[in-house]
Amino acid sequence: QKEVEQNSGPLSVPEGAIASLNCTYSDRGSQSFFWYRQYSGKSPELIMSIYSNGDKEDGRFTAQLNKASQYVSLLIRDSQPSDSATYLCATGGFKTIFGAGTRLFVKA
Amino acid sequence: DTGVSQNPRHKITKRGQNVTFRCDPISEHNRLYWYRQTLGQGPEFLTYFQNEAQLEKSRLLSDRFSAERPKGSFSTLEIQRTEQGDSAMYLCASSLGDRGRGPQHFGDGTRLSIL
Repeated sequence: QKEVEQNSGPLSVPEGAIASLNCTYSDRGSQSFFWYRQYSGKSPELIMSIYSNGDKEDGRFTAQLNKASQYVSLLIRDSQPSDSATYLCATGGFKTIFGAGTRLFVKA
Repeated sequence: DTGVSQNPRHKITKRGQNVTFRCDPISEHNRLYWYRQTLGQGPEFLTYFQNEAQLEKSRLLSDRFSAERPKGSFSTLEIQRTEQGDSAMYLCASSLGDRGRGPQHFGDGTRLSIL
């Protein structure tokens, strides 16, 4: 069974801090990795995609991929209360596998 | 806005009834996915289409579930003889990209409640 594991949280950080979200995956053949944000009662919204080892930055978000360790992370700099949501890690391909998500709470 | 559209947004029905949901993907996207999500869990893959062809179906999907995408555009998901355990949010997503690399864009979902 191919799996994506995330700490369910909640992860609580003060406003302005860096939030660090982590994810491990079991399928060594995975080539595509995504981070989605999901607000309560809403559908997932794509934040970042990453396909090769290293870092990828987009605004306040940085995704990090280490295929050797089967590890993906998402850093959110200058966290805002509006970032409070569940963050879903997913491995791509035709059959995308999602983790259960990490709940992030940013305190004002 | 030409994002992924799902109808209805909510469906309440009695156990044993059949239900059908519709998904209209982003127009240029050739791949369409159905997921089911329950509270506290990530989306669970149900099935996937490339154009009109259904290329993969989850083993978790019983024969009460069927999906179609007859002209490679919109898709329908039907659940026959609904059960209490079918209560969930049903999400549709679409993507464009080679070899499944394209990120998926989700609709707002259809929330199904079985009485």
